[in-house]
Formats: sequence, structure tokens, C-alpha cells
Amino acid sequence: AQSVAQPEDQVNVAEGNPLTVKCTYSVSGNPYLFWYVQYPNRGLQFLLKYITGDNLVKGSYGFEAEFNKSQTSFHLKKPSALVSDSALYFCAVRDLKTGNQFYFGTGTSLTVIP
Amino acid sequence: ETGVTQTPRHLVMGMTNKKSLKCEQHLGHNAMYWYKQSAKKPLELMFVYSLEERVENNSVPSRFSPECPNSSHLFLHLHTLQPEDSALYLCASSQDRGLQEQFFGPGTRLTVL
Repeated sequence: AQSVAQPEDQVNVAEGNPLTVKCTYSVSGNPYLFWYVQYPNRGLQFLLKYITGDNLVKGSYGFEAEFNKSQTSFHLKKPSALVSDSALYFCAVRDLKTGNQFYFGTGTSLTVIP
Repeated sequence: ETGVTQTPRHLVMGMTNKKSLKCEQHLGHNAMYWYKQSAKKPLELMFVYSLEERVENNSVPSRFSPECPNSSHLFLHLHTLQPEDSALYLCASSQDRGLQEQFFGPGTRLTVL
């Protein structure tokens, strides 16, 4: 079965420190992985995706994510956190074998402390 | 206006009311989606339309009825809802049969009294 796990409901980090938001996945075929961010009272905004190629993917707002096939992980990272990064982050996987469906995690609330 | 728009942004309705949510995408996509977002739960995919045909229906109660008159518009018709249906309803679009990401609307915050 296809699924995504975000093991942390809440992540707190001090402004200027590096941040990591964790994601692991399970798919039957090749994984196509995505990160989205959601600010209060807004829809989800796309940050970055991994389709193929380099394991380190760079996206919007200085975020990047590392695809690790052996650990089935796709953790989101940023070298230096900003207060404005505080939001809800969702990892998603798409398995083309099962059609059009995207599978989302439960989300991780990131708080960057000034 | 660009992207994906949803109306209304907020809706309060009684259990006997009938209402509709509207979604419109201006991105030229050919697939549209309805999701339900509740606190502490994964996004629940409700319906998927590809090329205006429904291709996914994830065991959604019949009190939710989708309609996709063309590739740019998607509706969710609501009737005799329950309080547990209160949630944020998100519409999204993407290019089907590709590896493109989904683009989301701002959502409709629904409260059922």
C-alpha cells in the first residue's frame, strides 16, 4: 500500500538554525515525492519535488530535500530558518501505478522561534 | 485571476441545507481534485476528475456530490450534512498523466451546525 509518514507533529527551531522536517514513504513502484507548505487560512503551496536524478532537490524559499532510497526517506531541510518559515508542512508521494492519486502525510507544524 | 480559486471561502450551514462549493482553475490543467482537511488527519482525497470524467471516488458518502462541467470548473454539492463534515475543503488541479505537482486553492472552511 502507498503511504507517507511524518513522524513529528511539531518541530521547533531557533531562527538562524538549520531545520529538518522528516518524511518516509512506501510505494510499490518508483516514488515521485513532493513537499508542500500551508500557511494559516491558505491552501497548500508547492515547495519542491523529486522525480529522478540528483538525490538533493532544491526548491522555493531556500528549501531543499534529500531523497534516500535505502531509507525510503525524503526529509525537508533548510540551512538557516526564518520566522516566516513557521507553517504546516506536508510530504506527499505519487505512484503512477495506482493512477492519479497523491498520498499525503499528516503534516508537521514548524515553529521558528525568534 | 491566476491559479486555483474557490468560493465561498467560509460557509456555515445547517444539516438540512443544500449548498455548493465552487472551484475554478486558470492553469490549463486537465485533472481536478477535492480533498477534505481535518485537524490531525492526513488530507483525505474525495474525488478526482481527469478529462472531465470521475476517476476516483474514495468511499465518500452520497451527501457529497461532485460535478465537473468542463476542465476548468469543479463543484461539490452538499446536502443533509453532519457536524463531523465540518472541515476545510480543498480543491486542486494538475496535469494528468504527468509528474507535475498539484496546485491548490485556498479552501472553503465549512461548518455544519
